[in-house]
Amino acid sequence: DQQVKQNSPSLSVQEGRISILNCDYTNSMFDYFLWYKKYPAEGPTFLISISSIKDKNEDGRFTVFLNKSAKHLSLHIVPSQPGDSAVYFCAALPLDSNYQLIWGAGTKLIIKP
Amino acid sequence: NAGVTQTPKFRILKIGQSMTLQCTQDMNHNYMYWYRQDPGMGLKLIYYSVGAGITDKGEVPNGYNVSRSTTEDFPLRLELAAPSQTSVYFCASSFHNEQFFGPGTRLTVL
Repeated sequence: DQQVKQNSPSLSVQEGRISILNCDYTNSMFDYFLWYKKYPAEGPTFLISISSIKDKNEDGRFTVFLNKSAKHLSLHIVPSQPGDSAVYFCAALPLDSNYQLIWGAGTKLIIKP
Repeated sequence: NAGVTQTPKFRILKIGQSMTLQCTQDMNHNYMYWYRQDPGMGLKLIYYSVGAGITDKGEVPNGYNVSRSTTEDFPLRLELAAPSQTSVYFCASSFHNEQFFGPGTRLTVL
């Protein structure tokens, strides 16, 4: 039973254009959402997060949008750069969970020159 | 600050062998976690710890054991390795919501 779903295993985007990565969840008790970026042979690194009381959070080229009624969040990267090529994981934090994250399967983003 | 360090980076085990994956963090985080990542899948939580002397099972604890005698160290023990334990193992630590990860250990059981 996947509580956090990233339905696109991969996404290819032209350099300079917008990359949009999507994530759906089923548990309405999720309180906080995070995006992580992972390069091959490295551990995931934190990218950006959003609390369930907000609908948008921005950090430089990265913006996360949360639509609670649709149980959907998205990560926008503008403009996309070659160094953004990586696997992106969406993760969700339930209330009272001792910070145990629930992870999506990841989306591999490929930025084409 | 080294962050989260893991050793070894790679290991090949024979079925039935045992080993310990080491994890150390220097950020004074109370929370530490062990995950495994199988190909094409997200991270699955094996065990976690909320502080020295306290550990608890995650989603996939069978075949593993942990201990947390200090704030810094959180070793993961595999007893009687099985092919199903072939995976990449990540250790992480956190103070709050954001977890910081080590570089991973790639384990193959043959």
